Amino acid sequence: DAKTTQPNSMESNEEEPVHLPCNHSTISGTDYIHWYRQLPSQGPEYVIHGLTSNVNNRMASLAIAEDRKSSTLILHRATLRDAAVYYCILRRGGSNYKLTFGKGTLLTVNP
Amino acid sequence: SAVISQKPSRDICQRGTSLTIQCQVDSQVTMMFWYRQQPGQSLTLIATANQGSEATYESGFVIDKFPISRPNLTFSTLTVSNMSPEDSSIYLCSVGVAGGPRETQYFGPGTRLLVL
Repeated sequence: DAKTTQPNSMESNEEEPVHLPCNHSTISGTDYIHWYRQLPSQGPEYVIHGLTSNVNNRMASLAIAEDRKSSTLILHRATLRDAAVYYCILRRGGSNYKLTFGKGTLLTVNP
Repeated sequence: SAVISQKPSRDICQRGTSLTIQCQVDSQVTMMFWYRQQPGQSLTLIATANQGSEATYESGFVIDKFPISRPNLTFSTLTVSNMSPEDSSIYLCSVGVAGGPRETQYFGPGTRLLVL
């Protein structure tokens, strides 16, 4: 699986937007970019995923660079409940759903 | 989506003993996985639980240490055998929902294991 690189930690203030970066310079054409997050004392939960185009859902937006070598997860208005570890994961299209987790970014949200 | 429950939610065990963790899903799923999350670390895939056949283990994990059963499409068990303190971790079950448009995994709440 291609590797992703994320900052170890980031901080944000409540009600402000948060941009979580992810580098994946060795991404292949069939790799989907997935984001999961893990709230304290819980299992990971799906946030969003995309292939080439930017994606929006009720939780977040995913901005994918034109060359696909990086992406950014955008939380439009951070809340205290968004404090979690955010994982950027590449998953080969058509594979058996298997996910390889990196270390992720610990997001702290200040009130 | 899928709702996943795990039993037990936590346990404290003595070294040398074994613990079986159960994973129950509220719908039939094709893919089931078992992960381990050691203290302060990320998740590591242990194996894919295959219905009707032997599990597929990742590098570094063996069947003798982590035997897995998957008798049907909604249930799986993971046994942690001959435990040592190094096995103290959170063990998570996850599923991939067949035909789901998002091709995502859903995770259970985890089983917190402490080995003394």
